[in-house]
Amino acid sequence: GEDVEQSLFLSVREGDSSVINCTYTDSSSTYLYWYKQEPGAGLQLLTYIFSNMDMKQDQRLTVLLNKKDKHLSLRIADTQTGDSAIYFCAESDNQGGKLIFGQGTELSVKP
Amino acid sequence: DGGITQSPKYLFRKEGQNVTLSCEQNLNHDAMYWYRQDPGQGLRLIYYSQIVNDFQKGDIAEGYSVSREKKESFPLTVTSAQKNPTAFYLCATNNGGTLNTEAFFGQGTRLTVV
Repeated sequence: GEDVEQSLFLSVREGDSSVINCTYTDSSSTYLYWYKQEPGAGLQLLTYIFSNMDMKQDQRLTVLLNKKDKHLSLRIADTQTGDSAIYFCAESDNQGGKLIFGQGTELSVKP
Repeated sequence: DGGITQSPKYLFRKEGQNVTLSCEQNLNHDAMYWYRQDPGQGLRLIYYSQIVNDFQKGDIAEGYSVSREKKESFPLTVTSAQKNPTAFYLCATNNGGTLNTEAFFGQGTRLTVV
């Protein structure tokens, strides 16, 4: 079945760039997503990328997609303490709109 | 305001009791989902419904039940058969399209067995 894998923790200093990585198994996914979860809250969509794109940039966020290696990454430029949260990678299963989530990467930003 | 409302925010259950978590949406979305979140395990799909009066089991449906009598509502019952129900429960919706399946999430219900 489909599987999405992420590392669990990442720690960076304020002002540095953060790169969160994700691997997935379902090559038929049309879209791949990055969600952000702040403590005790639901998930908010940060950005998504269509599967025929290699890169998408949105202000401080850059998404890179390597379809050959089934690797997705999220780069946050000039990381701020407010970026501290859990970041989830997700792929769609193209059957009924279900999303398959990774375990989430907890980003800690130190001043 | 458009959105998804989950209630209550915190819920305590005694062992052996059934409890029902509420999820209401006014986004006019066809599809609704229940996920369970445990530390280090991401989100796991419990049940989902793509249309009123129809729902399917997700990956971890045992010990849970749902109903979808109205488009706006998708309540989740955690039964006494669920052996480890303490978790954070998230309800989500999307517009049911088969391509861009952006999901919108409620704020979650934290269930604790006491």
